[in-house]
Amino acid sequence: DIVMTQSPDSLAVSLGERATINCKSSQSVLYSANDKDYLAWLQQRPGQPPKLLIYWASTRESGVPDRFSGSGSGTDFTLTISSLQAEDVAVYYCQQYYSTPSTFGQGTRLEIK
Amino acid sequence: EVQLVESGGGLAQPGRSLRLSCAASGFTFNDHAMHWIRQVPGKGLEWVSLISWNSGSIMYADSVEGRFTVSRDNAKNSLYLQMNSLRPEDTALYYCVRDHSSGGSGWYFDYWGQGTLVTVSS
Repeated sequence: DIVMTQSPDSLAVSLGERATINCKSSQSVLYSANDKDYLAWLQQRPGQPPKLLIYWASTRESGVPDRFSGSGSGTDFTLTISSLQAEDVAVYYCQQYYSTPSTFGQGTRLEIK
Repeated sequence: EVQLVESGGGLAQPGRSLRLSCAASGFTFNDHAMHWIRQVPGKGLEWVSLISWNSGSIMYADSVEGRFTVSRDNAKNSLYLQMNSLRPEDTALYYCVRDHSSGGSGWYFDYWGQGTLVTVSS
């Protein structure tokens, strides 16, 4: 199974500041035949199910604010929130769907400083 | 609007069974593979099972293989998870999750239900 490791485990950022979360996979999730990274980012607000934010490592799901962006390729990925809003308080997960079983990072808890 | 509504959770003794259901609406159910994913409250996410649009492809996590059975009824827009020989470590919130594709492999998961809580304890 592909192991997904996120850093940091928790993060406190001031409103309006940038938040950066990293994700590393134990093997590449880049499929060379189509040059796509099989990596998604999910947001889980308190008491809510996870919500898809980004797929193919950098494509925002419809309706997701453009302050959220994803980058990286191969084994190293980053989720950036350019200007933190109060509603962004949540746990963020990276997920690989390159192979079954799909696996998730342990989560990064984002709070307001 | 896509809606996934799970039901059937509850308290079960170790070794007993439960059957989870997921009622889907707001989309063409038989166009999509479906997954079950579980989460111990306050902890991370664990993929449990997938079923393709026509039930032709079914897969399980090693932790539930041989004990859980996933199925679907496209005529009823419903997904099921039969959970047998339950263990305390199966205690979790179980989510019904839609795959973006019909096959279930190599595509992202785009909608999640609210979940149904399964507690296994004597």
